[in-house]
Formats: sequence, C-alpha cells, structure tokens
Amino acid sequence: AQSVTQPDIHITVSEGASLELRCNYSYGATPYLFWYVQSPGQGLQLLLKYFSGDTLVQGIKGFEAEFKRSQSSFNLRKPSVHWSDAAEYFCAVGATAGNKLTFGGGTRVLVKP
Amino acid sequence: GAVVSQHPSRVICKSGTSVKIECRSLDFQATTMFWYRQFPKQSLMLMATSNEGSKATYEQGVEKDKFLINHASLTLSTLTVTSAHPEDSSFYICSARDVVSGGQYFGPGTRLTVT
Repeated sequence: AQSVTQPDIHITVSEGASLELRCNYSYGATPYLFWYVQSPGQGLQLLLKYFSGDTLVQGIKGFEAEFKRSQSSFNLRKPSVHWSDAAEYFCAVGATAGNKLTFGGGTRVLVKP
Repeated sequence: GAVVSQHPSRVICKSGTSVKIECRSLDFQATTMFWYRQFPKQSLMLMATSNEGSKATYEQGVEKDKFLINHASLTLSTLTVTSAHPEDSSFYICSARDVVSGGQYFGPGTRLTVT
C-alpha cells in the first residue's frame, strides 16, 4: 500500500530565511508526486509535480522540489520565504497524474516577521 | 485553466437531516471525480471515487449508504450526506480528472457543520 510521511508537523521560519519541508513516500512502482498548499479554510493549490525526467522540479511561488529515488524522498524548498507562505503544505503520491491521491499528514508553516 | 467549483461553500444542518454537496468541472469534462474528507488540523482522506454513469467506489470504512455519490454527467458529481450527525462535520473536498489532459484539479471545499 502506498503511504506518505511528512515528519514535521510544524515549522517556524523567519521571513527571508530558507525553508525545506520533508516528504518520504512508500510506493511499489514509479510514483507521481505532488506538493499542494492550503491556506486556512481554503482548497488545495498545486505547487509542483514530478512524474519523470529532471529530478529537480520548479514550481509556482518560487518553490522547488527534488526527487531522490534512493531515499524515497521528495522534499520541498524555497530559498527565501515570504509572510504569505504561511500555510499548510501537503505532499501526495498517486499512480498517475489523474488517479486518486494519498496525502501526507501535512506540515504547518509559520512565518515570523 | 481548469476550474472545479463546489456548492455550497459552507452549510450548517441539523442532526438527522441530509445535505447535498455539488462538485462541478467548469471548463472540462471529467469521467472521474474524487471525494476527500478533511477533519480539523488533519490531512485529506479519500472517501470515494465517483465514475460517470456507474457506481462509485468507496474506500474501506466509508459507509456507502450514508455517503451517497451520484455522477450523472461529465461535469457534475454530488455527495449526499444522509442522516447527518455531528461527527460528520468536516471539510469535504472534491477533485476532477480532465478526460483530455488526465490532470486532476481540486475544488475549493465545502465546510459542513452538523448541529
């Protein structure tokens, strides 16, 4: 069965500092990996996705993620966070781009001024 | 871009009543839609896969007689929570798979509160 683990429940970061969110997955085949962001009371916005090819993926809002097959990881990074990046971030895995997704538990990011 | 809407965005109902939530793909067709549930401060859990013109597929532990899903057209799926109880209070999010691109797009969610 597929699963996704986000080890960090909360992360607090100062505005302008770098951010890295961890994601580890368990999947029997080549996974389709996604990062979503959710603001309070809102739906999900897709930040980026990885299917194949270059293992460093660029997304929206200055985010990037790196797929490491050997570590079963797909960590999300941003070089310099903005106050507007405060939100909940979810890593997800699926069999295809349009298949049902298994989500990690989420990481809540707080940004200090 | 591909847009998915949900209606209503918020609903409050009394215990024992039923409530219907709509999920619409506005600018694409979707033979498959997914319904997720998210409890406060928790992650999204898949409830069921909605297939146009056929029965929905429910995840283990989800009562199909309580959560009725209808996918009667290529742009609309509905989730009806029957005989709602306070423990059904949650954030319900749908997603739709574009038949052309294969991409999956999420709706903005519906906040259900059962009093």
